[in-house]
Amino acid sequence: GENVEQHPSTLSVQEGDSAVIKCTYSDSASNYFPWYKQELGKRPQLIIDIRSNVGEKKDQRIAVTLNKTAKHFSLHITETQPEDSAVYFCAASNTGNQFYFGTGTSLTVIP
Amino acid sequence: NAGVTQTPKFQVLKTGQSMTLQCAQDMNHNSMYWYRQDPGMGLRLIYYSASEGTTDKGEVPNGYNVSRLNKREFSLRLESAAPSQTSVYFCASSKDPAKQPQHFGDGTRLSIL
Repeated sequence: GENVEQHPSTLSVQEGDSAVIKCTYSDSASNYFPWYKQELGKRPQLIIDIRSNVGEKKDQRIAVTLNKTAKHFSLHITETQPEDSAVYFCAASNTGNQFYFGTGTSLTVIP
Repeated sequence: NAGVTQTPKFQVLKTGQSMTLQCAQDMNHNSMYWYRQDPGMGLRLIYYSASEGTTDKGEVPNGYNVSRLNKREFSLRLESAAPSQTSVYFCASSKDPAKQPQHFGDGTRLSIL
């Protein structure tokens, strides 16, 4: 099956700086890569996603890049704000009906 | 439009007791999922249902059973609860997992003493 690795497990940045979270996957058949944000005690919520036919996608301060050859994808958050503090999960999916999640990155934005 | 609704939100059980976690979605999604979330281990898939009438094991199915009652509802049953099953359980659904994300419920916090 698929194996998704996520790094780093914890990340602290100063407010206004950028944050980058990286994930690698093992199954070259994976073709859909969502990112979720989970605030303490809340449900995971989708923040951005990318499909395998696209190399980069942006939504305001958030961007995701995908390198299919190297089998890795990254989440970029620019101009971080305290409300960006949360746990972020990457995931990979193929046509097999399953999502495979990374183990999460706890992001702290220091005011 | 409530999305994915899970009941109960909290539950405390004694070892050996049984219970069923309920999940319902109103988005006409085909696929439904049950995950458990433990500290430092992310989300681990217990069971999933690709469509009404089908269920399949995920990464950690031992000690659990599921029922896809209809397109809307997908329940998770613990037949004989064990302390190792203390966790937060999330139900999720997706219209097309190859192209579209999952939508999660609010979770059930389950403690087994």
